[in-house]
Amino acid sequence: EDQVTQSPEALRLQEGESSSLNCSYTVSGLRGLFWYRQDPGKGPEFLFTLYSAGEEKEKERLKATLTKKESFLHITAPKPEDSATYLCAVQAPYTGAGSYQLTFGKGTKLSVIP
Amino acid sequence: KAGVTQTPRYLIKTRGQQVTLSCSPISGHRSVSWYQQTPGQGLQFLFEYFSETQRNKGNFPGRFSGRQFSNSRSEMNVSTLELGDSALYLCASSRTGGTGRVDEQFFGPGTRLTVL
Repeated sequence: EDQVTQSPEALRLQEGESSSLNCSYTVSGLRGLFWYRQDPGKGPEFLFTLYSAGEEKEKERLKATLTKKESFLHITAPKPEDSATYLCAVQAPYTGAGSYQLTFGKGTKLSVIP
Repeated sequence: KAGVTQTPRYLIKTRGQQVTLSCSPISGHRSVSWYQQTPGQGLQFLFEYFSETQRNKGNFPGRFSGRQFSNSRSEMNVSTLELGDSALYLCASSRTGGTGRVDEQFFGPGTRLTVL
């Protein structure tokens, strides 16, 4: 069974204090790893897709990286508006009968204090 | 380009009632997935529809069902509501549903269901 574990569960940072969120996964034949941001009471907002180990993607203060066992979301010089829950999800191989489902971790709640 | 829309945004029901939630995907997207989100369990997959066919189903009881229409709009239904069904129900759409390639899913704002 696919497993996705995110750590830490919660993280408080001072504005400008860089850090990383971790997403470790066990899945046979990873096809894609996704990062989402979710604000309270809203649906997840898509951030990145990573396809293979060694891949990196950046967007503003966020940078996502992928290895064979885990992914990191690096946040550089965060601002209060970066406060949100960050979710990681994996997609296993398509099985032909229809296997497009994402398995999500429980998320990391990030709070950035001014 | 309009995003995924869900109606209603909020619902309050009592135990034993049934409820129908609606989702309109992004124009051109043919795959619609439904998820249940609770504080304890996080996001859990309910089912996925593509071209009006349910292709995959998560580990939920038969009280949870869904369908997709020819215009890709989707509905999900929960019958005989239980207190534990209180959750945020999220709909996500993607272009092809992952057939042959990885496809990003884009989520709607969700429907907050409260069962009293």
